[in-house]
Amino acid sequence: KAGVTQTPRYLIKTRGQQVTLSCSPISGHRSVSWYQQTPGQGLQFLFEYFSETQRNKGNFPGRFSGRQFSNSRSEMNVSTLELGDSALYLCASSDGTSYYYEQYFGPGTRLTVT
Amino acid sequence: GQQLNQSPQSMFIQEGEDVSMNCTSSSIFNTWLWYKQEPGEGPVLLIALYKAGELTSNGRLTAQFGITRKDSFLNISASIPSDVGIYFCAGRESGGSNYKLTFGKGTLLTVNP
Repeated sequence: KAGVTQTPRYLIKTRGQQVTLSCSPISGHRSVSWYQQTPGQGLQFLFEYFSETQRNKGNFPGRFSGRQFSNSRSEMNVSTLELGDSALYLCASSDGTSYYYEQYFGPGTRLTVT
Repeated sequence: GQQLNQSPQSMFIQEGEDVSMNCTSSSIFNTWLWYKQEPGEGPVLLIALYKAGELTSNGRLTAQFGITRKDSFLNISASIPSDVGIYFCAGRESGGSNYKLTFGKGTLLTVNP
């Protein structure tokens, strides 16, 4: 099975712009979670989508949004970028329904805001 | 919100030494996962634990689900240079339908050849 893929791998944007990141989960997985990783804050949960619905949400401002499509692919959008949004954005996929809950991560998208 | 305390924050060891790290939570968990992350990559799942007291191995790695269900341990035996990376614990709180995982801040492991 192919793993979790994320595009693009690297992105450079300027303050005030918006950005869209994409994640394709492992085939058959219906849950996609997004995380922001920075050296100071570690892995912080953004939100989780399951069957096209946001099921869980972290404590991030409304500038961070996401969606999931019927094929389980997910996108994350950040509007009005700030310097502090520079981070590695990771998505993780899982079955999302079973008790044996394991998440598998993609390689991440490195976002740099200048 | 829920927090996991992972320790130590960093370790610098000699090749061949054994390594131990742990995570503790303030509430009961029903799932513990251990990940390794190398520079520029996403975390890779190493071991998953689902029962209190469970001891699971993956090669030289062994992890245990604490019997209090509030902690987990990861041991690496006979470390080698390729063990270098950041090790994260993650857990899911017991009860409810919340599938969200909580992550520790990681243990940075450096192995001196």
